[in-house]
Amino acid sequence: QKEVEQNSGPLSVPEGAIASLNCTYSDRVSQSFFWYRQYSGKSPELIMSIYSNGDKEDGRFTAQLNKASQYVSLLIRDSQPSDSATYLCAVNWIGNKLVFGAGTILRVKS
Amino acid sequence: DTAVSQTPKYLVTQMGNDKSIKCEQNLGHDTMYWYKQDSKKFLKIMFSYNNKELIINETVPNRFSPKSPDKAHLNLHINSLELGDSAVYFCASSQVSSGRTDTQYFGPGTRLTVL
Repeated sequence: QKEVEQNSGPLSVPEGAIASLNCTYSDRVSQSFFWYRQYSGKSPELIMSIYSNGDKEDGRFTAQLNKASQYVSLLIRDSQPSDSATYLCAVNWIGNKLVFGAGTILRVKS
Repeated sequence: DTAVSQTPKYLVTQMGNDKSIKCEQNLGHDTMYWYKQDSKKFLKIMFSYNNKELIINETVPNRFSPKSPDKAHLNLHINSLELGDSAVYFCASSQVSSGRTDTQYFGPGTRLTVL
């Protein structure tokens, strides 16, 4: 059983739309959750971190966490072609191990 | 100012050779990591060092040996390279505060190709 699951996509959205990326995880004791963006041939870069239930907003990005449902999501408002990338969900595991999902490919079409 | 740097960026070598990848961070973090990203883009942790001590050692062949001379450096040595070792290797660092892992910052990656 996978520990962190994401839909691999690709998720295609038109420019200006909201992109919704989802992630589920299997360990109930996880406390830290991260969304990374990775452009092709580049290293992962942090988009958002979230530690408590609810929403956290940063510019066009909103992370949502529901620990009871073991679910974390990332919403991207007003999607731009430059948002086209692979989005990696990461969950902090016991022993400070960060476990990544396989990533969701997002394509924003102009 | 580069936060996490790796050398080399590209490494092409023959099967059976031994090679090393170096990583340095200037963020003052106490924890460093090695990840492997395979052709399917799956990013998986290999090792983690906290203040020069090995704290995470995933199921990795013994041919891979990390070494941390100080908390700003983490190197990866690979013996007897195999075709399956071809991947992108990322170094990362973070500050572990009160048992919680803060954001990990990644280096630019080393693309290893074994022929």
